[in-house]
Amino acid sequence: EPEVTQTPSHQVTQMGQEVILRCVPISNHLYFYWYRQILGQKVEFLVSFYNNEISEKSEIFDDQFSVERPDGSNFTLKIRSTKLEDSAMYFCASSEKDRAYEQYFGPGTRLTVT
Amino acid sequence: AQSVAQPEDQVNVAEGNPLTVKCTYSVSGNPYLFWYVQYPNRGLQFLLKYITGDNLVKGSYGFEAEFNKSQTSFHLKKPSALVSDSALYFCAVRDPNSGNTPLVFGKGTRLSVIA
Repeated sequence: EPEVTQTPSHQVTQMGQEVILRCVPISNHLYFYWYRQILGQKVEFLVSFYNNEISEKSEIFDDQFSVERPDGSNFTLKIRSTKLEDSAMYFCASSEKDRAYEQYFGPGTRLTVT
Repeated sequence: AQSVAQPEDQVNVAEGNPLTVKCTYSVSGNPYLFWYVQYPNRGLQFLLKYITGDNLVKGSYGFEAEFNKSQTSFHLKKPSALVSDSALYFCAVRDPNSGNTPLVFGKGTRLSVIA
């Protein structure tokens, strides 16, 4: 069964450093998403991406964040200058189409900012 | 704006007993509703969804959920709980009338099934 994959599984970085989280969505899916889950809290939406552009973003997704689909298979989330409060589990998700279609989530990348 | 409430942080149930994990929602119009499960150190796994049609939807691992429009609820149920069902359960909603909106999740309910 096709699945969303994410790398790395765990990333440790120092405050102020740039990180890139990578995701490979399911191949025939058209919509891509990033969510995050701070330890012990609920899953929060960051950004959605369709047709090579951001379709929606939350207040969390400020200028420090960016997304890219560089080669038609990967979908990346970049944090330019990490802060301690960016420490969280970051989930990538994809869906075949929008709204009525379930999103399939990757296993997540645990980002630890020290 | 859409929202989801899961009123219970924790649900404890004995193995073999029926389980219910509660969810209520707020959205304009008819919602799209989803349940996801998260096992320790794992990502979110889709269980079931309600889009339209029968109010009772069946999903993976013997779970089902009933859409109740008058009570704006979408409670997750299973007739006979297993220890392996112990996990964190998230209810989520999407507004079908608001473009490519993201899933809005509840805060999650931790289910503990005791042998």
